[in-house]
Amino acid sequence: SQQGEEDPQALSIQEGENATMNCSYKTSINNLQWYRQNSGRGLVHLILIRSNEREKHSGRLRVTLDTSKKSSSLLITASRAADTASYFCATDSGSRLTFGEGTQLTVNP
Amino acid sequence: DAGVIQSPRHEVTEMGQEVTLRCKPISGHNSLFWYRQTMMRGLELLIYFNNNVPIDDSGMPEDRFSAKMPNASFSTLKIQPSEPRDSAVYFCASNLLAAGYNEQFFGPGTRLTVL
Repeated sequence: SQQGEEDPQALSIQEGENATMNCSYKTSINNLQWYRQNSGRGLVHLILIRSNEREKHSGRLRVTLDTSKKSSSLLITASRAADTASYFCATDSGSRLTFGEGTQLTVNP
Repeated sequence: DAGVIQSPRHEVTEMGQEVTLRCKPISGHNSLFWYRQTMMRGLELLIYFNNNVPIDDSGMPEDRFSAKMPNASFSTLKIQPSEPRDSAVYFCASNLLAAGYNEQFFGPGTRLTVL
């Protein structure tokens, strides 16, 4: 079974709007991370939330974690065209990460 | 800091040929990961090393794939013989593994096309 499944698979919004992406997972975790991948590039770490945290902020990013529901959400506020990318959640259950399939976000200018 | 360095960035080869992908992790990092990314299967972990020792190679598709890490600053992923279904983007990532924190730093990837 796939650990770290994101939804939606694709999201298209207008610049200035907020974008919310969700991630569900199946096993217990140490932490959950979100990464961004621009087309043709490697993944870049955005934010990490530990299993004992419920919410975390970093600039325009807000991440929540609900371990009882085994789910997380990533909110990008006041989106910009430059936020267009694929976003992946990754669960850390030890020394390795397991990535989801990603959400393709398109921010239209 | 140069980040994780991968070479080549692009590789086009014919079926049956040997392919070697190279990775230089960030200096001071003690773990190195090889991933494969395709549209069909997403991002898959192939193998990872800790302190130059392979820890988990369960993601390696078959015996045609092999990986080595002869020292802390270099790793290779070899495919021999290559097949068209090996076409993908291969990423190397590294990190300093520490309890409760496991951010990984990715290289730019090698786009492999096997004809």
